[in-house]
Amino acid sequence: EAGVAQSPRYKIIEKRQSVAFWCNPISGHATLYWYQQILGQGPKLLIQFQNNGVVDDSQLPKDRFSAERLKGVDSTLKIQPAKLEDSAVYLCASTMQAGGGDTQYFGPGTRLTVL
Amino acid sequence: AQSVTQPDIHITVSEGASLELRCNYSYGATPYLFWYVQSPGQGLQLLLKYFSGDTLVQGIKGFEAEFKRSQSSFNLRKPSVHWSDAAEYFCAVGSGNTPLVFGKGTRLSVIA
Repeated sequence: EAGVAQSPRYKIIEKRQSVAFWCNPISGHATLYWYQQILGQGPKLLIQFQNNGVVDDSQLPKDRFSAERLKGVDSTLKIQPAKLEDSAVYLCASTMQAGGGDTQYFGPGTRLTVL
Repeated sequence: AQSVTQPDIHITVSEGASLELRCNYSYGATPYLFWYVQSPGQGLQLLLKYFSGDTLVQGIKGFEAEFKRSQSSFNLRKPSVHWSDAAEYFCAVGSGNTPLVFGKGTRLSVIA
């Protein structure tokens, strides 16, 4: 079974530029999550999708971050414009269902550096 | 609001020695508890999880964790550490209706 795929693995941009990350969850997984992991901290949930609908985006900085999962499969996370404090690893995870007890399977992440 | 505290930022143990990583949580209801491991440049991998039942949970790679409701703790243990266990370990708490909240992690170093 293929795992969660993410691309790119690394990205370096200058502040005020835009960037987009892509995630393809495990086949058949209805729920997809985007996390932000700042160096030295645990992952923080940015947004949760159930199929193509948003379940929770309360911690997504909506003035600069956006995410979509149009067909209920893969997803993109965009930052526009980027700030220095957005430097982090962006992790995508998926689960079969939406229950909090379901095991989340994580991708390798995209490491973003904003200069 | 739910929260997770991992008191130890960094732990160093000798190969073959026993290991215990601490995790304390704050949650109003019965929580779901998880331990994940993250190797450098990798995503998180689930080691074990607790929902209900037996409070001693067995996981992969020889790890186990014990849920102690009275202490609001879910400490991770391994009787004999291998050099390949060097990684970052995260404790997380969730429920059926709320997203996972992660602790800040404990970095484990293993020396010969």
